[in-house]
Amino acid sequence: AQSVTQLGSHVSVSEGALVLLRCNYSSSVPPYLFWYVQYPNQGLQLLLKYTTGATLVKGINGFEAEFKKSETSFHLTKPSAHMSDAAEYFCAVTAASTGYSTLTFGKGTMLLVSP
Amino acid sequence: NAGVTQTPKFQVLKTGQSMTLQCAQDMNHNSMYWYRQDPGMGLRLIYYSASEGTTDKGEVPNGYNVSRLNKREFSLRLESAAPSQTSVYFCASSAGQGASQPQHFGDGTRLSIL
Repeated sequence: AQSVTQLGSHVSVSEGALVLLRCNYSSSVPPYLFWYVQYPNQGLQLLLKYTTGATLVKGINGFEAEFKKSETSFHLTKPSAHMSDAAEYFCAVTAASTGYSTLTFGKGTMLLVSP
Repeated sequence: NAGVTQTPKFQVLKTGQSMTLQCAQDMNHNSMYWYRQDPGMGLRLIYYSASEGTTDKGEVPNGYNVSRLNKREFSLRLESAAPSQTSVYFCASSAGQGASQPQHFGDGTRLSIL
């Protein structure tokens, strides 16, 4: 079984500041990890994913995340926040497998960006 | 590029009424999912269909039924709606059964049950 913990239901930053959204996971098997973003009144969109290979993965809109197995973490970062980054962000985990596996989502972190 | 289309976008029901939420995808994906999203709870899986002809329960299946009508369509039915089922419902699809395949989401159905 897998689980995800996102630290902080709300994170506030100023425009131009570093964005750091924290995600820790629990998995009994090697994980695949995802970050999704949800803008108001829309569905979720994939930001980036880690499956195998390089542990630092780059996504859309300047976001990146680093898989740290020893810390069971997959934190999302962006060097400089933009007003358009204000949204809710979800971390998700699934079991790395050649067979079928469902996603388990964290409870989400709302990112607030002030001018 | 429609992607995943959900209908209706909004609905208000009375307790005890029934309703079917529709979902269709045009990406030729094999797998489809239904989630509910409640404040502070993230997304919770209701049912999924790994491939055409199969359906399985997720984390919160009670009070719901699903039908995988064909490869494109996956519907969610509430037989006797309850206020606890007030939520935003999302349908999603993914290309294959591999765990690395990302899911693509519709824009949701906002359902209120009085």
